[in-house]
Amino acid sequence: GNSVTQMEGPVTLSEEAFLTINCTYTATGYPSLFWYVQYPGEGLQLLLKATKADDKGSNKGFEATYRKETTSFHLEKGSVQVSDSAVYFCALRRNGQGGSEKLVFGKGTKLTVNP
Amino acid sequence: DAGVTQSPTHLIKTRGQHVTLRCSPISGHKSVSWYQQVLGQGPQFIFQYYEKEERGRGNFPDRFSARQFPNYSSELNVNALLLGDSALYLCASSPMRQGGPDTQYFGPGTRLTVL
Repeated sequence: GNSVTQMEGPVTLSEEAFLTINCTYTATGYPSLFWYVQYPGEGLQLLLKATKADDKGSNKGFEATYRKETTSFHLEKGSVQVSDSAVYFCALRRNGQGGSEKLVFGKGTKLTVNP
Repeated sequence: DAGVTQSPTHLIKTRGQHVTLRCSPISGHKSVSWYQQVLGQGPQFIFQYYEKEERGRGNFPDRFSARQFPNYSSELNVNALLLGDSALYLCASSPMRQGGPDTQYFGPGTRLTVL
């Protein structure tokens, strides 16, 4: 079946540190891949996406590259800020499934950035 | 532009009761999906509706049902509530341009507590 595996959290960093959150997936066909972020007490916000192999999604200094050969979509940011503290979810959408938009999420990785 | 709105924000019910959650999509969006997020986990897909028809269903019991109205708003109904139904219920909408899968945008969620 389709699944997403994220690195175990929590992750604690100092401000301006480099961030990597690993995400690998299992899916039939070629899924679209997403990173969503959830701030405390809120719903999910789309952070970035990639729809085909070698695509790079980017937003607010975050980047992730769709790697088909390693079935990965790791999230990176060069210099984190305290305001980046949140839970990050990697998700996939399998394409060609009758128009369904079902997203399959990982368990989430909690990031805390200290000043 | 207003985002996805959900009501109520919080809800407390007792076992065996029934609950109705409501969602209004972003203006112009025709697809609505529902997800259940148990504390500490990633969201799990429950339903998707597009143009008032069910487009996808997750692995949830028949106690869960939903519908979409002509104005594209949606309701999620849960009967015979169990303690395990306590969760954050998220609604997401998408434009589904040309009837195909599109990026989903999430609302803030309804926090349901079952006592």
